[in-house]
Amino acid sequence: DQQVKQNSPSLSVQEGRISILNCDYTNSMFDYFLWYKKYPAEGPTFLISISSIKDKNEDGRFTVFLNKSAKHLSLHIVPSQPGDSAVYFCAVPNPISGGYNKLIFGAGTRLAVHP
Amino acid sequence: KAGVTQTPRYLIKTRGQQVTLSCSPISGHRSVSWYQQTPGQGLQFLFEYFSETQRNKGNFPGRFSGRQFSNSRSEMNVSTLELGDSALYLCASSGSGTDNEKLFFGSGTQLSVL
Repeated sequence: DQQVKQNSPSLSVQEGRISILNCDYTNSMFDYFLWYKKYPAEGPTFLISISSIKDKNEDGRFTVFLNKSAKHLSLHIVPSQPGDSAVYFCAVPNPISGGYNKLIFGAGTRLAVHP
Repeated sequence: KAGVTQTPRYLIKTRGQQVTLSCSPISGHRSVSWYQQTPGQGLQFLFEYFSETQRNKGNFPGRFSGRQFSNSRSEMNVSTLELGDSALYLCASSGSGTDNEKLFFGSGTQLSVL
């Protein structure tokens, strides 16, 4: 049973437009959420995070929104650039084990930004 | 500072063999985690080591094991390889302070089991 779901396997966006990547979760105990970006032949790299005490966190072109009642978060990239083309993973720390090392990952969304 | 280093990058083995993968964390990081990435299952947690002790374990069979050395370097071992073990194995380290809340991943070891 997937606790973290990214229902869109892929997304294609034109350069300069907004990219919106979505993530749904099932466990209301989750209180911290992270986004990782992965390029081919490289490991994932941390992008942005949000605590459940907030509903928005911004870092440059990247903004994550959290809707706790809907158990939904989204990552907005504005404006999208060709270098943003990668696979994006939503992840949450396992609330039972504690700490931030045992992450539960979504299946990922492959973003393609074309000129 | 240097990132997480994993060796080898690629590995081809046959069923029944065993394999050892190596990971050197970022200098100063004491926690090392291992993940398996497959097309069907995504990224799944294998185990985490901290100060030479296994601190967390995922839902993988006992054929998957690991260890951590006093210099924080870690190895994972898979015995009696099966075709389904073909995957990208990722190692990640984390430290303290602002590094505590995020994992820093290596580029992974791509294992193919024939």
